[in-house]
Amino acid sequence: SQKIEQNSEALNIQEGKTATLTCNYTNYSPAYLQWYRQDPGRGPVFLLLIRENEKEKRKERLKVTFDTTLKQSLFHITASQPADSATYLCALDRAQGGKLIFGQGTELSVKP
Amino acid sequence: SAVISQKPSRDICQRGTSLTIQCQVDSQVTMMFWYRQQPGQSLTLIATANQGSEATYESGFVIDKFPISRPNLTFSTLTVSNMSPEDSSIYLCSAGGLAAYNEQFFGPGTRLTVL
Repeated sequence: SQKIEQNSEALNIQEGKTATLTCNYTNYSPAYLQWYRQDPGRGPVFLLLIRENEKEKRKERLKVTFDTTLKQSLFHITASQPADSATYLCALDRAQGGKLIFGQGTELSVKP
Repeated sequence: SAVISQKPSRDICQRGTSLTIQCQVDSQVTMMFWYRQQPGQSLTLIATANQGSEATYESGFVIDKFPISRPNLTFSTLTVSNMSPEDSSIYLCSAGGLAAYNEQFFGPGTRLTVL
């Protein structure tokens, strides 16, 4: 069955450093992969989408890479700030009417 | 984008009762979905709410337990029936199909505790 794995342990980094989060998947070839941010007590918020034929996508301090051979996506936050502290979820499309499969999320903590 | 509201934001219910959660979108959307998120866990899709027809349920979820309505393109309800403590969770609705991408916009969630 389809499986998505994200760093299970929380990631703690110092302000100003680059945070790198990993999303690996198996038994699937998604058309695209999405990243969301979720703060405590709130619903996820869409950040970025990358298509299967794209290697890299950027948005301000965010960068996403997608390696369909390795079945892996990396999510980078450069010049991280304490306000970036949150849980980050990756999601794969199931190519069935817009349904998404979500990973379990990685909790990021940026210390000042 | 879309703004999604849910009611109630939280509730504490007794075992054996039912709770209906409402989801309102500020614009017409093609797709609406209901998810469950248990503490510390990721989102699990319960069903796709189809306008004018029966919802499409994911494996492990059935209509008798989670009846869903979607009377128009901006509103949906999820009922959690005959509740047990195992149903304690956060329930989220989302809307999609607003853009070329399949990004989804989420409501704030309903935190349900069953005693």
